[in-house]
Amino acid sequence: KQEVTQIPAALSVPEGENLVLNCSFTDSAIYNLQWFRQDPGKGLTSLLLIQSSQREQTSGRLNASLDKSSGRSTLYIAASQPGDSATYLCAVRLGGNNRLAFGKGNQVVVIP
Amino acid sequence: EAGVVQSPRYKIIEKKQPVAFWCNPISGHNTLYWYLQNLGQGPELLIRYENEEAVDDSQLPKDRFSAERLKGVDSTLKIQPAELGDSAVYLCASSLSGRSYNEQFFGPGTRLTVL
Repeated sequence: KQEVTQIPAALSVPEGENLVLNCSFTDSAIYNLQWFRQDPGKGLTSLLLIQSSQREQTSGRLNASLDKSSGRSTLYIAASQPGDSATYLCAVRLGGNNRLAFGKGNQVVVIP
Repeated sequence: EAGVVQSPRYKIIEKKQPVAFWCNPISGHNTLYWYLQNLGQGPELLIRYENEEAVDDSQLPKDRFSAERLKGVDSTLKIQPAELGDSAVYLCASSLSGRSYNEQFFGPGTRLTVL
């Protein structure tokens, strides 16, 4: 069974610092990996999707890397802002079906 | 373009009562998912539809949960009877199959409280 782990569970950073969020998974036979953002009481917003054949994806201040062989992905958020405060969830799509296996999330607070 | 729509947003019921949630996916998305999210946890898949067909329902507690997607568009998830442990957020998502990456898009969820 695919296990997805996100460390740290929670972190606070001062505004302007770069954020680094880690995701690890136990089975490297993934189809793709998706990073989501979830605000309190809200649904999930897709941030980036990395195909298994890709090493990284970028969108604005966000950059996500994927090292499939070691079962790791990292989400970088440059120059963090208070509006980046949210929970960030990593999910891997298992090969052969559309099921996503999620981590528990990184709860981020950016302090003004 | 409208996103995934869910209703109601919040529901409070007493245990043993029935409850139903409704989801309308993004227009044109043929794959629809229902997820359960407990507090502090990531979502867990309950059921996945490809058009009208439920192709992955292995994690749906079939003794009390049921779902339908009769016309391959919107879907309803039902719990009867509800138990205290069913209190959670129920998320609906959709994607367009056939694309190589099947990016999933989520609705705002329905927060269920069972008293």
